[in-house]
Amino acid sequence: EAGVAQSPRYKIIEKRQSVAFWCNPISGHATLYWYQQILGQGPKLLIQFQNNGVVDDSQLPKDRFSAERLKGVDSTLKIQPAKLEDSAVYLCASSLAEAGSSYNEQFFGPGTRLTVL
Amino acid sequence: GENVEQHPSTLSVQEGDSAVIKCTYSDSASNYFPWYKQELGKRPQLIIDIRSNVGEKKDQRIAVTLNKTAKHFSLHITETQPEDSAVYFCAASSSGGSNYKLTFGKGTLLTVNP
Repeated sequence: EAGVAQSPRYKIIEKRQSVAFWCNPISGHATLYWYQQILGQGPKLLIQFQNNGVVDDSQLPKDRFSAERLKGVDSTLKIQPAKLEDSAVYLCASSLAEAGSSYNEQFFGPGTRLTVL
Repeated sequence: GENVEQHPSTLSVQEGDSAVIKCTYSDSASNYFPWYKQELGKRPQLIIDIRSNVGEKKDQRIAVTLNKTAKHFSLHITETQPEDSAVYFCAASSSGGSNYKLTFGKGTLLTVNP
């Protein structure tokens, strides 16, 4: 089966510019996650969707970050305006189980490496 | 919220030796503990996981142990090979109401020297 797809793979922008990332989860996976992985650290959850609804966005900096999953399939994550500290790899993941299940194997995409200059 | 501590941050072993990575968690309600392997520039991939109703799980050269009382779990790799070199992340699944989410440790860079 095809894995989680993400684009672009790399992006370089100036601070205060905006950027958008796209993710297409594994077909049939109800739950979609966006993570931020800063160099040398583990992934940090930004937002979690179940179908087209948000179930957790407690760690999303809502003043500059937004995300949507309008049709319950693919998703976009936007940063506007970007700051230097946003430089990181943005990982998308999906899982088959619903958000109410703790046994959620998550499948990760290849990530988008963002550099903010 | 959940907090996961992982040690050591770097680990270097000789090929054929064993490697052990340890994690502690704070939320006693956490009940699922996966381990991910991330090779340089690649995506994290699940290598083994354990649920809180089990104390140990083994898959070939990889094993995970869980001590719920002490709130710690460990990854054991035996007969290490150069291709085991990667960053390993532990995680704990905790509940926020009806939603479960993974909290990751900071990772361990394992280097297996030929």
